[in-house]
Amino acid sequence: GDSVTQMEGPVTLSEEAFLTINCTYTATGYPSLFWYVQYPGEGLQLLLKATKADDKGSNKGFEATYRKETTSFHLEKGSVQVSDSAVYFCALSDSGAGGTSYGKLTFGQGTILTVHP
Amino acid sequence: GAVVSQHPSRVICKSGTSVKIECRSLDFQATTMFWYRQFPKKSLMLMATSNEGSKATYEQGVEKDKFLINHASLTLSTLTVTSAHPEDSSFYICRGIMNTEAFFGQGTRLTVV
Repeated sequence: GDSVTQMEGPVTLSEEAFLTINCTYTATGYPSLFWYVQYPGEGLQLLLKATKADDKGSNKGFEATYRKETTSFHLEKGSVQVSDSAVYFCALSDSGAGGTSYGKLTFGQGTILTVHP
Repeated sequence: GAVVSQHPSRVICKSGTSVKIECRSLDFQATTMFWYRQFPKKSLMLMATSNEGSKATYEQGVEKDKFLINHASLTLSTLTVTSAHPEDSSFYICRGIMNTEAFFGQGTRLTVV
């Protein structure tokens, strides 16, 4: 079945440091890939997505590129801020969802990011 | 914007009691609600999918008599953990579907003592 593996956290960085959170997946067909963020006390929010190979999703300074050859969707940000402290989830959606986020999602285990001033 | 309000955010209950978790869709009608649980350092695992007015569809390995899901209206879905035991302690989160987008609740941290 489908699965998503994220790098284990927690990740602790200083403000303005470079961030990478690794995510790899296994899936049949051609899934869409997502990154979700959960700020303290809030629900998960869609951060960015990519629906086909070589697509790059970006939002709020975060980027991730859909790499079919390495089955990866690593999250990056060039300069993190304290306000980026949150839990980040990588996820994939079965191909039947057509690239939207409303289908069944398979999640990674989440990575806690803490950014210090 | 569309929001799913989930309550309670935290609950501690005694072993053998039942706990109800509510998810209300605010400003939209959630025709479908997904329920997930997350074990420490593990992925969010899909438990069941509920559609308004019909019985929930449970994932393999999830006991439907233990995790009762009710989706009686387009704005309210509930998950009841019956006869809770310490192994049911977990993080439960709902996700409501509106058209082609989905919105998560804030999650409920359940601790059974």
